[in-house]
Amino acid sequence: DTAVSQTPKYLVTQMGNDKSIKCEQNLGHDTMYWYKQDSKKFLKIMFSYNNKELIINETVPNRFSPKSPDKAHLNLHINSLELGDSAVYFCASSQELSSGRSFKAFFGQGTRLTVV
Amino acid sequence: GENVEQHPSTLSVQEGDSAVIKCTYSDSASNYFPWYKQELGKRPQLIIDIRSNVGEKKDQRIAVTLNKTAKHFSLHITETQPEDSAVYFCAAANFGNEKLTFGTGTRLTIIP
Repeated sequence: DTAVSQTPKYLVTQMGNDKSIKCEQNLGHDTMYWYKQDSKKFLKIMFSYNNKELIINETVPNRFSPKSPDKAHLNLHINSLELGDSAVYFCASSQELSSGRSFKAFFGQGTRLTVV
Repeated sequence: GENVEQHPSTLSVQEGDSAVIKCTYSDSASNYFPWYKQELGKRPQLIIDIRSNVGEKKDQRIAVTLNKTAKHFSLHITETQPEDSAVYFCAAANFGNEKLTFGTGTRLTIIP
Protein backbone atom coordinates (compact mmCIF):
# COMPACT_ATOMS: atom_id res chain seq x y z
CA ASP A 1 0.00 0.00 0.00
CA THR A 2 2.98 2.29 -0.69
CA ALA A 3 1.72 5.81 -1.34
CA VAL A 4 4.42 6.99 -3.77
CA SER A 5 6.58 4.34 -5.35
CA GLN A 6 9.38 4.72 -7.82
CA THR A 7 11.52 2.21 -9.68
CA PRO A 8 14.26 1.30 -9.84
CA LYS A 9 15.77 2.02 -6.43
CA TYR A 10 19.30 1.81 -7.79
CA LEU A 11 20.49 2.48 -11.31
CA VAL A 12 24.09 2.17 -12.46
CA THR A 13 24.76 2.99 -16.08
CA GLN A 14 27.46 4.18 -18.44
CA MET A 15 27.87 7.68 -19.80
CA GLY A 16 25.92 8.30 -22.96
CA ASN A 17 23.16 5.82 -22.18
CA ASP A 18 19.45 6.63 -22.01
CA LYS A 19 17.50 5.58 -18.93
CA SER A 20 14.05 5.99 -17.37
CA ILE A 21 12.77 6.18 -13.82
CA LYS A 22 9.13 5.42 -13.14
CA CYS A 23 6.90 6.89 -10.46
CA GLU A 24 3.38 6.05 -9.38
CA GLN A 25 1.18 7.43 -6.60
CA ASN A 26 -2.03 5.92 -5.26
CA LEU A 27 -3.06 8.89 -3.13
CA GLY A 28 -5.33 10.46 -5.71
CA HIS A 29 -3.15 13.58 -5.74
CA ASP A 30 -3.30 16.01 -8.62
CA THR A 31 0.28 17.24 -8.54
CA MET A 32 3.48 15.26 -8.99
CA TYR A 33 7.11 16.35 -8.92
CA TRP A 34 10.64 15.29 -9.61
CA TYR A 35 13.38 16.46 -7.26
CA LYS A 36 17.12 15.95 -7.54
CA GLN A 37 19.23 15.49 -4.40
CA ASP A 38 22.94 15.90 -5.00
CA SER A 39 25.87 14.63 -2.93
CA LYS A 40 25.57 17.63 -0.60
CA LYS A 41 21.97 16.66 0.10
CA PHE A 42 20.48 19.76 -1.59
CA LEU A 43 16.92 19.08 -2.74
CA LYS A 44 16.10 20.93 -5.95
CA ILE A 45 12.87 20.79 -7.87
CA MET A 46 13.15 19.76 -11.49
CA PHE A 47 9.58 19.43 -12.74
CA SER A 48 6.03 19.69 -11.52
CA TYR A 49 2.94 18.29 -13.22
CA ASN A 50 -0.65 19.05 -12.34
CA ASN A 51 -3.29 16.77 -13.84
CA LYS A 52 -0.84 15.59 -16.51
CA GLU A 53 0.16 19.11 -17.49
CA LEU A 54 3.63 20.56 -17.00
CA ILE A 55 3.51 23.37 -14.46
CA ILE A 56 7.13 23.89 -13.49
CA ASN A 57 10.22 23.26 -15.55
CA GLU A 58 13.28 24.51 -13.72
CA THR A 59 16.55 25.11 -15.52
CA VAL A 60 17.06 21.45 -16.27
CA PRO A 61 18.94 20.30 -19.39
CA ASN A 62 16.58 19.19 -22.13
CA ARG A 63 18.16 15.74 -21.90
CA PHE A 64 15.67 15.29 -19.06
CA SER A 65 12.13 14.75 -20.26
CA PRO A 66 9.25 14.01 -17.90
CA LYS A 67 6.17 12.18 -19.14
CA SER A 68 2.84 11.90 -17.39
CA PRO A 69 0.55 9.33 -19.04
CA ASP A 70 -2.09 9.95 -16.36
CA LYS A 71 -2.24 11.88 -13.12
CA ALA A 72 -1.09 8.88 -11.08
CA HIS A 73 2.16 8.47 -13.00
CA LEU A 74 5.12 10.71 -13.71
CA ASN A 75 8.11 9.14 -15.38
CA LEU A 76 11.51 10.69 -15.96
CA HIS A 77 13.51 9.89 -19.06
CA ILE A 78 17.14 10.94 -19.29
CA ASN A 79 19.06 10.94 -22.57
CA SER A 80 22.82 10.87 -23.06
CA LEU A 81 23.63 10.48 -19.38
CA GLU A 82 26.58 12.43 -18.00
CA LEU A 83 28.72 11.92 -14.90
CA GLY A 84 27.14 15.01 -13.31
CA ASP A 85 23.71 13.40 -13.48
CA SER A 86 24.72 11.08 -10.65
CA ALA A 87 22.39 11.86 -7.75
CA VAL A 88 19.32 10.59 -5.93
CA TYR A 89 16.10 11.43 -7.77
CA PHE A 90 12.92 11.70 -5.74
CA CYS A 91 9.40 11.63 -7.04
CA ALA A 92 6.74 13.30 -4.90
CA SER A 93 3.04 14.08 -5.01
CA SER A 94 0.67 16.50 -3.30
CA GLN A 95 -2.88 17.71 -3.50
CA GLU A 96 -3.81 20.49 -5.89
CA LEU A 97 -2.20 23.56 -4.44
CA SER A 98 -4.53 26.20 -5.82
CA SER A 99 -7.40 24.65 -3.88
CA GLY A 100 -5.52 25.40 -0.69
CA ARG A 101 -6.72 22.09 0.69
CA SER A 102 -3.30 20.69 1.30
CA PHE A 103 0.26 20.99 0.27
CA LYS A 104 1.60 18.00 2.12
CA ALA A 105 4.09 16.50 -0.29
CA PHE A 106 4.79 12.79 -0.03
CA PHE A 107 8.04 11.44 -1.41
CA GLY A 108 8.93 8.18 -3.08
CA GLN A 109 11.86 6.15 -1.74
CA GLY A 110 14.28 7.67 -4.22
CA THR A 111 16.34 6.33 -7.12
CA ARG A 112 20.09 6.44 -6.69
CA LEU A 113 21.51 7.01 -10.17
CA THR A 114 25.21 6.40 -10.67
CA VAL A 115 26.74 7.25 -14.03
CA VAL A 116 30.12 5.67 -14.66
CA GLY B 1 11.71 33.25 -7.29
CA GLU B 2 11.74 32.03 -3.71
CA ASN B 3 15.04 31.56 -1.90
CA VAL B 4 15.19 29.69 1.42
CA GLU B 5 18.25 29.84 3.66
CA GLN B 6 18.72 27.39 6.52
CA HIS B 7 21.09 27.46 9.51
CA PRO B 8 23.04 25.79 10.92
CA SER B 9 24.19 23.23 8.37
CA THR B 10 25.25 20.86 11.16
CA LEU B 11 24.12 20.69 14.76
CA SER B 12 25.20 18.39 17.58
CA VAL B 13 23.09 18.28 20.72
CA GLN B 14 23.35 16.26 23.91
CA GLU B 15 20.50 13.82 24.36
CA GLY B 16 17.71 15.43 26.35
CA ASP B 17 18.66 18.97 25.33
CA SER B 18 16.75 21.11 22.83
CA ALA B 19 17.62 21.74 19.18
CA VAL B 20 16.66 24.78 17.13
CA ILE B 21 16.96 25.12 13.36
CA LYS B 22 16.24 28.43 11.64
CA CYS B 23 15.16 29.35 8.13
CA THR B 24 14.57 32.59 6.29
CA TYR B 25 12.65 33.05 3.06
CA SER B 26 12.63 35.80 0.48
CA ASP B 27 9.18 35.76 -1.15
CA SER B 28 6.60 37.56 0.96
CA ALA B 29 3.88 35.71 -1.00
CA SER B 30 4.93 32.38 0.52
CA ASN B 31 2.22 31.13 2.84
CA TYR B 32 3.05 27.53 3.67
CA PHE B 33 6.12 26.28 5.56
CA PRO B 34 6.70 22.56 6.08
CA TRP B 35 9.57 20.76 7.75
CA TYR B 36 10.89 17.44 6.51
CA LYS B 37 13.07 14.86 8.24
CA GLN B 38 15.32 12.63 6.17
CA GLU B 39 17.02 9.70 7.84
CA LEU B 40 20.10 8.17 6.25
CA GLY B 41 19.21 6.48 2.98
CA LYS B 42 15.51 7.20 3.37
CA ARG B 43 12.99 9.54 1.80
CA PRO B 44 12.17 13.00 3.22
CA GLN B 45 9.11 12.79 5.44
CA LEU B 46 6.88 15.61 6.58
CA ILE B 47 7.05 16.10 10.35
CA ILE B 48 5.22 19.39 10.85
CA ASP B 49 3.93 22.31 8.81
CA ILE B 50 2.55 25.77 9.41
CA ARG B 51 0.49 28.20 7.37
CA SER B 52 1.06 31.91 7.31
CA ASN B 53 -2.07 32.71 9.31
CA VAL B 54 -0.62 30.92 12.35
CA GLY B 55 2.35 32.01 14.47
CA GLU B 56 3.15 28.76 16.22
CA LYS B 57 2.25 25.10 16.01
CA LYS B 58 3.17 22.24 18.32
CA ASP B 59 3.12 18.48 18.01
CA GLN B 60 4.46 16.68 21.07
CA ARG B 61 8.22 17.38 21.20
CA ILE B 62 8.39 19.43 18.02
CA ALA B 63 7.17 22.95 17.42
CA VAL B 64 7.45 25.46 14.62
CA THR B 65 7.29 29.24 14.94
CA LEU B 66 6.75 31.72 12.14
CA ASN B 67 7.54 35.44 12.00
CA LYS B 68 5.95 36.74 8.79
CA THR B 69 7.25 40.26 9.24
CA ALA B 70 10.84 39.11 9.50
CA LYS B 71 10.27 36.27 7.02
CA HIS B 72 11.76 33.60 9.19
CA PHE B 73 10.57 30.38 10.77
CA SER B 74 12.15 27.91 13.14
CA LEU B 75 11.91 24.28 14.18
CA HIS B 76 12.25 23.46 17.88
CA ILE B 77 12.83 19.92 19.12
CA THR B 78 12.73 19.43 22.88
CA GLU B 79 13.97 16.49 24.95
CA THR B 80 15.96 15.20 22.00
CA GLN B 81 16.44 11.48 21.53
CA PRO B 82 18.92 9.47 19.44
CA GLU B 83 16.22 8.74 16.86
CA ASP B 84 15.97 12.47 16.18
CA SER B 85 19.35 12.25 14.42
CA ALA B 86 18.69 13.00 10.73
CA VAL B 87 18.88 15.75 8.13
CA TYR B 88 16.09 18.30 8.52
CA PHE B 89 14.84 20.45 5.67
CA CYS B 90 12.66 23.53 5.86
CA ALA B 91 10.67 24.60 2.83
CA ALA B 92 8.45 27.41 1.66
CA ALA B 93 5.62 27.50 -0.85
CA ASN B 94 2.90 29.70 -2.18
CA PHE B 95 -0.49 28.10 -2.73
CA GLY B 96 -0.69 30.11 -5.93
CA ASN B 97 2.15 28.26 -7.63
CA GLU B 98 2.98 24.60 -7.63
CA LYS B 99 6.45 24.86 -6.15
CA LEU B 100 8.00 23.83 -2.85
CA THR B 101 11.42 25.42 -2.36
CA PHE B 102 13.70 23.67 0.13
CA GLY B 103 16.39 24.99 2.41
CA THR B 104 19.86 23.47 2.26
CA GLY B 105 19.31 21.08 5.16
CA THR B 106 20.64 20.70 8.71
CA ARG B 107 22.36 17.53 9.81
CA LEU B 108 21.30 17.01 13.42
CA THR B 109 23.27 14.59 15.56
CA ILE B 110 22.06 13.64 19.03
CA ILE B 111 24.91 12.64 21.31
CA PRO B 112 23.91 9.89 23.78
